[in-house]
Amino acid sequence: DAKTTQPNSMESNEEEPVHLPCNHSTISGTDYIHWYRQLPSQGPEYVIHGLTSNVNNRMASLAIAEDRKSSTLILHRATLRDAAVYYCILLNSGGSNYKLTFGKGTLLTVNP
Amino acid sequence: GAVVSQHPSRVICKSGTSVKIECRSLDFQATTMFWYRQFPKQSLMLMATSNEGSKATYEQGVEKDKFLINHASLTLSTLTVTSAHPEDSSFYICSARDWGREQNSPLHFGNGTRLTVT
Repeated sequence: DAKTTQPNSMESNEEEPVHLPCNHSTISGTDYIHWYRQLPSQGPEYVIHGLTSNVNNRMASLAIAEDRKSSTLILHRATLRDAAVYYCILLNSGGSNYKLTFGKGTLLTVNP
Repeated sequence: GAVVSQHPSRVICKSGTSVKIECRSLDFQATTMFWYRQFPKQSLMLMATSNEGSKATYEQGVEKDKFLINHASLTLSTLTVTSAHPEDSSFYICSARDWGREQNSPLHFGNGTRLTVT
């Protein structure tokens, strides 16, 4: 599986933007970049995904580098409820081998 | 939005007994569901892929006779931890994908089951 590298932890202040980086230098052309987050004692929650172009939804934005070897999840205004572990995962869209493999993720702390 | 319901959310059992965990996709059909296990302060580890109407596919190192998976319908998969031991105490999470959607569509996760074996 193509791997991703994320910082172990990051800290932010409430109502400020947060940029969570992810490196995926071995990404293949058919790999989608997915982001999930996990709040304490809960199952993961889908945040956003993309292939080549930047993506926006109600939760976040995803900025994908032109060479696709890195991406950044952007939370425009962090709230205390955004404190979670954020996982950047590559998902191959082709074939029958669909499965999400989780790395260690980034623990985001949001300070009031 | 798509919802995956997992039950029970918390269970305590005695060593040697079996525990069944249910995972339901509430508003979509899921021919494939996934079972994960998560130990404290660690990431999710995929245990097995549950296929409707056929045998589950287990990841390396996961005992198929200990973790029995049944996926008898398009909306229900069950994981049974047989002869549970304290080392099986963990957070078990299921997920499912809406196969009616495009191939890169995201997974939907249940809220997990906290299993404690005494």
